[in-house]
Formats: sequence, structure tokens, C-alpha cells
Amino acid sequence: NAGVTQNPRHLVRRRGQEARLRCSPMKGHSHVYWYRQLPEEGLKFMVYLQKENIIDESGMPKERFSAEFPKEGPSILRIQQVVRGDSAAYFCASSPSIEETQHFGDGTRLSIL
Amino acid sequence: GQNIDQPTEMTATEGAIVQINCTYQTSGFNGLFWYQQHAGEAPTFLSYNVLDGLEEKGRFSSFLSRSKGYSYLLLKELQMKDSASYLCAYMDSNYQLIWGAGTKLIIKP
Repeated sequence: NAGVTQNPRHLVRRRGQEARLRCSPMKGHSHVYWYRQLPEEGLKFMVYLQKENIIDESGMPKERFSAEFPKEGPSILRIQQVVRGDSAAYFCASSPSIEETQHFGDGTRLSIL
Repeated sequence: GQNIDQPTEMTATEGAIVQINCTYQTSGFNGLFWYQQHAGEAPTFLSYNVLDGLEEKGRFSSFLSRSKGYSYLLLKELQMKDSASYLCAYMDSNYQLIWGAGTKLIIKP
């Protein structure tokens, strides 16, 4: 299956810990997007990356959140010092170019105790 | 606030037809997407419209009117497996997707 792969599917953290969410895009896709979704709500854009570059991080909180997409390896969304309000589903999508259809991974469900 | 709107929830009967509407306001537009999302799963791509008119794909069709800022997704011959949320999103001038909150479609036997 050459689809978008996210891991872990479920992640539980205590307040103050760090959460690392990983996303491997579809083969041939160099554009990665991260979204956050709360229950019964739509997707909220967080950040858009290409290999080694953050293109648009306008949807990402300035503090505690960071993202990267290194030359080798998956894209990482990192949340430091997690709080209860960070509990959500985090989806990654990828596309071959910015104009083309985004394909989504199965998401990581983050729960903060 | 968001400038894209779709109904929160709709109910339809198995075998029937349902139309899910989406309205939006934007100065820059690069197309309108519909995705299906089953509970706890990833959104999956259904359709893309950038020109006015109707695009048909099997039991699903999508319509766009750019002048009216309006799209709809039409589902025919409804099946129980069509119970899901349907997400409307437009692509703005920066090629960023702006998402509606989704329409939860409930199919009854």
C-alpha cells in the first residue's frame, strides 16, 4: 500500500509531555500538509511543508508546536508540553504538487490525560 | 470565522437521492473539493470542480456555480455504507484548502 502513512494511530500523553506524530507521504509526493480535527468539526489547516522547507505555517500555534519534513524520512509534527486542549485527531495529507488533490493518512488520535 | 457553509446533518432513506449543498465566499478560487469521511477514518477524495457545471462519477455527482459561490454533491441510489460525513473545501488563491465543518449524512433503511 503506497498511501499516506501516519503513526502512531493512537497516542496517549500526560500533560507536560511531548508528542511526536509521524507522516510518510505517498510515493512521489513532495508536498505535505498537517490538519487538526476536533470531534464533530471540520479540518483545520496547520502547516504546509515541502522537503526541508516550511512553506506556510499560518495555522499552527506559535508556541509548543513545530513541524519538519527532512530530506530523508517522514514529516514530524511535534507538540511540546502538551495540554488537555491538544487532544484531537491530527491528519496528514500529501500531494505531488500544490495544485493537485491531497490524499490523507488515517490520522493520529492524540489523547492527553 | 469560516466563509464556507454546509448543513450540519442530513437524513435520507436507503435507495433514495440526497443533495448536500455547500456555499462559500472567496476572492481567490482554484477549485472546489468534496471528500467523504467515515467516523474515525481518513477523508477520502470524491470530486473536484473548477469549471461551472456537473461532474458525474458513478452514483456521485458534483455541481459548481462559481458566480453563485455554490456547489452540491448529489448521491443517488443511497446505500447504508454511504452514512458518513461529507466535507466541502475550496482551494484559495494560495492553493490552501479551506474546509467546511462537514455534513453528517445518516441513511435509514
